Amino acid sequence: GENVEQHPSTLSVQEGDSAVIKCTYSDSASNYFPWYKQELGKRPQLIIDIRSNVGEKKDQRIAVTLNKTAKHFSLHITETQPEDSAVYFCAASKGATGGFKTIFGAGTRLFVKA
Amino acid sequence: NAGVTQTPKFQVLKTGQSMTLQCAQDMNHEYMSWYRQDPGMGLRLIHYSVGAGITDQGEVPNGYNVSRSTTEDFPLRLLSAAPSQTSVYFCASSYRWSSGNTIYFGEGSWLTVV
Repeated sequence: GENVEQHPSTLSVQEGDSAVIKCTYSDSASNYFPWYKQELGKRPQLIIDIRSNVGEKKDQRIAVTLNKTAKHFSLHITETQPEDSAVYFCAASKGATGGFKTIFGAGTRLFVKA
Repeated sequence: NAGVTQTPKFQVLKTGQSMTLQCAQDMNHEYMSWYRQDPGMGLRLIHYSVGAGITDQGEVPNGYNVSRSTTEDFPLRLLSAAPSQTSVYFCASSYRWSSGNTIYFGEGSWLTVV
């Protein structure tokens, strides 16, 4: 069945450094890859997404890359700030062909030390 | 718009009891889903629906029932609660479009089964 693996499970960086979170997916028919941020006690919220016809997308300090051949996608956060501390989830969806079922990775807990 | 509304926010059940988690959305989204979140396990899909009258199983459907009689509502029923169902439950909805679906989550329901 569909599977999304996410690494690392925990990541600690100094403020100002970059953070990279990596995911792999199993279903080659997946065509939409969102990233969600969840602060403590809150609901997950979308921070960036990428579609399968795009290799990279940036939004200020956040970027996502996709390698369809290797079935890898990654989240890059530059110039990290303490408010970036949260749990980050990657996900994969097959859109209409897959009934819009979205499968999430296990999450990465990011700590940004001031 | 209220977005995705879940009730109750907190609930304690005894083993064997049944209950229904309510979910409603006012965004006219066709796609609705339920996830459970456990430490280190990420967000796991329980059931989902692509429209009124249509439901399907996700990754961990056992012990749960759903129905979708209207576009707005998607209740999750626990048939006979077990301690393994202690978790945080998130209802979610999204608008369907061909290349992906941004998921909007409710605030979560914290369920403890004793």
